[in-house]
Amino acid sequence: EDQVTQSPEALRLQEGESSSLNCSYTVSGLRGLFWYRQDPGKGPEFLFTLYSAGEEKEKERLKATLTKKESFLHITAPKPEDSATYLCAGQRGSARQLTFGSGTQLTVLP
Amino acid sequence: NAGVTQTPKFQVLKTGQSMTLQCAQDMNHNSMYWYRQDPGMGLRLIYYSASEGTTDKGEVPNGYNVSRLNKREFSLRLESAAPSQTSVYFCASTAGETGELFFGEGSRLTVL
Repeated sequence: EDQVTQSPEALRLQEGESSSLNCSYTVSGLRGLFWYRQDPGKGPEFLFTLYSAGEEKEKERLKATLTKKESFLHITAPKPEDSATYLCAGQRGSARQLTFGSGTQLTVLP
Repeated sequence: NAGVTQTPKFQVLKTGQSMTLQCAQDMNHNSMYWYRQDPGMGLRLIYYSASEGTTDKGEVPNGYNVSRLNKREFSLRLESAAPSQTSVYFCASTAGETGELFFGEGSRLTVL
């Protein structure tokens, strides 16, 4: 059975205080590892896809990386508008559906 | 460009009542999905439709039925609602088999 575990469950940062969110996965024949952002009361919004170990993707203050067992979402000098819940999901090679983690709720204080 | 539109946004039902959640996308996507999201749990797939005319069960299909009415529309029906179906329901779509999903804003359902 595929599993995706995110840590921490919640993270509070001061504006400008860099940190990382962790996503550990056990997904058979990983086809892709996906990161989403979810604002309160909204649907998830796609951020990144990572396909193979060593791959990195960047968008503004966010950088996603992938190893054979984990993915990290690094947040550099965050701003209050980065506050959201960040979800990761794995897709196995033979399947269409994703296995989602339960998310990390990030709060960035001004 | 509306993307993925879900109706209704909020609904309260009594145990045993039935209802249908509607979803429409205007991106010409082939694949559509219904997920539920519960506190402390990840999004869980209920049903999906890889293309018009096909539907398949996901992880938690019991108590639900779906209809892919046409390429744009994918509905989720609760025939006899139970309190365990209190949740936030998200519809999503994508062009092919990619996990880069486009989500609607959700339908918040409470079953008393």
